[in-house]
Formats: sequence, structure tokens, C-alpha cells
Amino acid sequence: TQLLEQSPQFLSIQEGENLTVYCNSSSVFSSLQWYRQEPGEGPVLLVTVVTGGEVKKLKRLTFQFGDARKDSSLHITAAQPGDTGLYLCAGAWFGSSNTGKLIFGQGTTLQVKP
Amino acid sequence: EAQVTQNPRYLITVTGKKLTVTCSQNMNHEYMSWYRQDPGLGLRQIYYSMNVEVTDKGDVPEGYKVSRKEKRNFPLILESPSPNQTSLYFCASSQTRWGEAFFGQGTRLTVV
Repeated sequence: TQLLEQSPQFLSIQEGENLTVYCNSSSVFSSLQWYRQEPGEGPVLLVTVVTGGEVKKLKRLTFQFGDARKDSSLHITAAQPGDTGLYLCAGAWFGSSNTGKLIFGQGTTLQVKP
Repeated sequence: EAQVTQNPRYLITVTGKKLTVTCSQNMNHEYMSWYRQDPGLGLRQIYYSMNVEVTDKGDVPEGYKVSRKEKRNFPLILESPSPNQTSLYFCASSQTRWGEAFFGQGTRLTVV
């Protein structure tokens, strides 16, 4: 079974603090997607990282794909209350039959207090 | 505007009363899927469809049915709902099974 483990599960911080969310697996993924889900809404794609070692920036958010394409991290600089939400990583996994599927982590709930 | 539309957004029903949650996408995506989201369990896939008339079980299919008669629509059917199906449900579509997923706004279902 392919698993994506996210940590931490919950994070409550003050506005202005930095944080990092991790997404780890023993499986290799061809790409890794990060989503944010706000209360009462569906997940929305933030970014996709494809190449091992790739770093992408989206304003104050920095996403990194591990060199071996088994892990990823999301770093938020100077968090703001608008960053509050559930962050989900999802890996594109291709098994031995070469049929791909998307595997989701369990999510990290972030609360940023003003 | 590219979107996935689910209806209804909220539903309270009684045990055993058949219900259907509709899902429609306007992006001409071939792949559609249904998930349920429960605290501590994350998103779990119920059923998916690779194309019209092609559907398959996901990780938690028991108690659910789906159909894909048209490319844009993928309804989720609960023939005899039970309280353990109380959950937040999401429909999603994408170009491929591993591609970037577009989610609907969710349907919060309560079965009493």
C-alpha cells in the first residue's frame, strides 16, 4: 500500500511565524501536488512539483520535492490568518502495471491566529 | 469558468431512504471520482470513472453506486444510507487519473 504521511497533523501558530509541513513516503512519485482546502470548500491546487530537487515559490509559500521524489515540504514564511486551512499533499504513483493514480496524504490543519 | 458542481451542498436524511448526489464538470475531463472526507482519515476514494460507461471501485466502495452515462456527469447513489455514511463528500475531475484534480464544493451528508 502506498502511503503519504503528512506531519504535523495540526499546527496552531501566531501571525508572522514561519512553518514547515512535511509529506513523506517510502514510494517514489512521478509528481507531487499540494492543495489547500478552506472551511466549507473543496481542495484547490496550489502547485505541482515534478523534478527531484525542484523548488517552487508561490508568494510566501515555498514547495520542495525531495531528490529521490519520495518526499516534499511546504514552507510558509510570515504566516497570515488567510493561510488558515487544510493543506493536502497528493502524489502521482505508477505501480508495476504502469497505471497511475493519485494518492492523498491525510492533511495538515493550519490555524494562524492574528 | 472551469468548475465542478455538486448538489446538494447539505443533506439530512433518514436511514434507508435512497439518495443521489449529483456532480457535473465543464472541462471535458475524462476522469472523475468521488471521495469522502472524515476527521483523522483524510480523503478516501469511493469510486472513479476513467471514461463514459467505465467505472471502478476505489478504496471504500461499500454502500455506494455510481454511473457515468455522459462525460460531464458522475452521480453518487446511496441506495440505503446508514449513519456510518455521514460524511463530507467531494466529487473531482481531472484529465488523467494522476493529474491535477478539480474538486467540487462538497456535500455534507447526515444520515440519522
